Amino acid sequence: NAGVTQTPKFRVLKTGQSMTLLCAQDMNHEYMYWYRQDPGMGLRLIHYSVGEGTTAKGEVPDGYNVSRLKKQNFLLGLESAAPSQTSVYFCASSYSIKARVLELYEQYFGPGTRLTVT
Amino acid sequence: GDSVTQMEGPVTLSEEAFLTINCTYTATGYPSLFWYVQYPGEGLQLLLKATKADDKGSNKGFEATYRKETTSFHLEKGSVQVSDSAVYFCALRMGGGGADGLTFGKGTHLIIQP
Repeated sequence: NAGVTQTPKFRVLKTGQSMTLLCAQDMNHEYMYWYRQDPGMGLRLIHYSVGEGTTAKGEVPDGYNVSRLKKQNFLLGLESAAPSQTSVYFCASSYSIKARVLELYEQYFGPGTRLTVT
Repeated sequence: GDSVTQMEGPVTLSEEAFLTINCTYTATGYPSLFWYVQYPGEGLQLLLKATKADDKGSNKGFEATYRKETTSFHLEKGSVQVSDSAVYFCALRMGGGGADGLTFGKGTHLIIQP
């Protein structure tokens, strides 16, 4: 199993450009998440999804859109990149809480995408 | 809202020293608590967890006990190694059937010197 993979690993964008970050998981997880990590801020939740075709906003959703067309993939889009979106982006996935006892809850993280917007 | 506060780093120790990284939380209910570790250039990995008061999570020589009375989940290790150098994140998740993710602390950068 590859676990959680993210594409690309690095990217540099100019202000106003758009791009899509791809997250894929092969663990048949129901839940998927996108976080951003900034120095001194820890990880903050951008958007999440509880299943195919369903997404919801997290703590810092502005400037981002997401889609979950297939259970194994979760896409994060930046329509018009801004320097404030320079960050490291992490995708994570987990089993549904309803399907598993809470004691087994764990989020599995991808290796991250380092995005720089100039 | 829910929040996690952990000691800011960097924390620099010598090999074989005793480690404590403090973590306290604020939550409206009874969360599950986690410690994640991030090695340089990698994503986060679950280190240990505890789901109810007085539970002790342990892994790779690290331990943390869920203290409801002090709302704390301090990470400890008796003898650190150079390979333990990483960033450590304390996190919580509220119970229930929701999927609204983890709330993380800001992370503590640990540096172990030989």
